Amino acid sequence: NAGVTQTPKFQVLKTGQSMTLQCAQDMNHEYMSWYRQDPGMGLRLIHYSVGAGITDQGEVPNGYNVSRSTTEDFPLRLLSAAPSQTSVYFCASSYPTGTGYDTEAFFGQGTRLTVV
Amino acid sequence: AQSVTQPDIHITVSEGASLELRCNYSYGATPYLFWYVQSPGQGLQLLLKYFSGDTLVQGIKGFEAEFKRSQSSFNLRKPSVHWSDAAEYFCAVGARRDDKIIFGKGTRLHILP
Repeated sequence: NAGVTQTPKFQVLKTGQSMTLQCAQDMNHEYMSWYRQDPGMGLRLIHYSVGAGITDQGEVPNGYNVSRSTTEDFPLRLLSAAPSQTSVYFCASSYPTGTGYDTEAFFGQGTRLTVV
Repeated sequence: AQSVTQPDIHITVSEGASLELRCNYSYGATPYLFWYVQSPGQGLQLLLKYFSGDTLVQGIKGFEAEFKRSQSSFNLRKPSVHWSDAAEYFCAVGARRDDKIIFGKGTRLHILP
């Protein structure tokens, strides 16, 4: 059971370049999300999805796009990278239980992105 | 919208001493509450969670947390810390269907030998 897998683990981009951070989970979780972690800021929610075809914005969505075409995958796209997007990015997934949507988040190992 | 406040950015305790990390939340419905730990350069590990029922929740590594609805708090405690507990701790609130999990800014725990 691989859990939540993020690729790549490290990436350096030049300002203005675009790229996609990949996230895949094999636990059949409905809920997937992306966070960025910056020193002193904790984890801030970028985008999230409660199922295939459904996405919504989190706290800091500007400069990022997401789509959810399958249950397993939730890629995060940086349209035109900026130095302010230098951060560690975490993907997380969650599941509903029989008593409702009481969930905990399972995290990937993170992607460290540097924009120069 | 929900929010989480962790008032202490850094806490330093001596090894063997007791620990309490504070967490206050704001949420319009019955909260689901979590504590996660992150060791340097690592991902996040769930310590414990509160969904309903008993307000004192036991977690891994000897941690416990108490949900106090009247104070909107979910403080993390450990009776005796070990050097290996040095890490960053995050409190989070959420999620229910069509909702999201929001994290606090974290508390970094330092352990004195």
